[in-house]
Amino acid sequence: DTAVSQTPKYLVTQMGNDKSIKCEQNLGHDTMYWYKQDSKKFLKIMFSYNNKELIINETVPNRFSPKSPDKAHLNLHINSLELGDSAVYFCASSQESTGSETQYFGPGTRLLVL
Amino acid sequence: AQKITQTQPGMFVQEKEAVTLDCTYDTSDQSYGLFWYKQPSSGEMIFLIYQGSYDEQNATEGRYSLNFQKARKSANLVISASQLGDSAMYFCAMREGRESGGSYIPTFGRGTSLIVHP
Repeated sequence: DTAVSQTPKYLVTQMGNDKSIKCEQNLGHDTMYWYKQDSKKFLKIMFSYNNKELIINETVPNRFSPKSPDKAHLNLHINSLELGDSAVYFCASSQESTGSETQYFGPGTRLLVL
Repeated sequence: AQKITQTQPGMFVQEKEAVTLDCTYDTSDQSYGLFWYKQPSSGEMIFLIYQGSYDEQNATEGRYSLNFQKARKSANLVISASQLGDSAMYFCAMREGRESGGSYIPTFGRGTSLIVHP
């Protein structure tokens, strides 16, 4: 009965590879997000997406792209991985249409690029 | 300029005492939301409390309360009767409205590490 789930939990890969992280929420929320948390614990929004609008943080390299097959899923694709991409990636969701402000986070995916 | 400032990188408190974690914010919007999240060493992000800019009363959730001072643009988190399990990183966050052309996505402070001593 996990509200927001992410797979995989850990991801170790070589520089230059392409990888995806999956996110699913069963809360019926209309908006999903991706965050990156660096080694200093700084949490930065990468994308905000609902069925009407994708908002991209302009500092995010275009090697990162969100893909949403349906309302309950927002996957993160990363092309040509670099060492600096090593971080914890969090998916989150919220219900924007009712004005509810709370975001529910997934458990995080720990990415290590070698 | 930082939109969310948490000036305390680390805080220590004795078990059963109260502790205040500071957060100041910067926005020109009239409508915005303020949040606090807890991140224990296990890594998950746990929502604690929310305060809307138009809420007249301070938000409370169990042992957590948000000391909202709008004129000073501060939204401090107060934890009463600290427990050992409160040891964690605490993040203050703000989501602005679209009045100023903002993107309506939240920004987070850099966090405060709280350690509760027995």
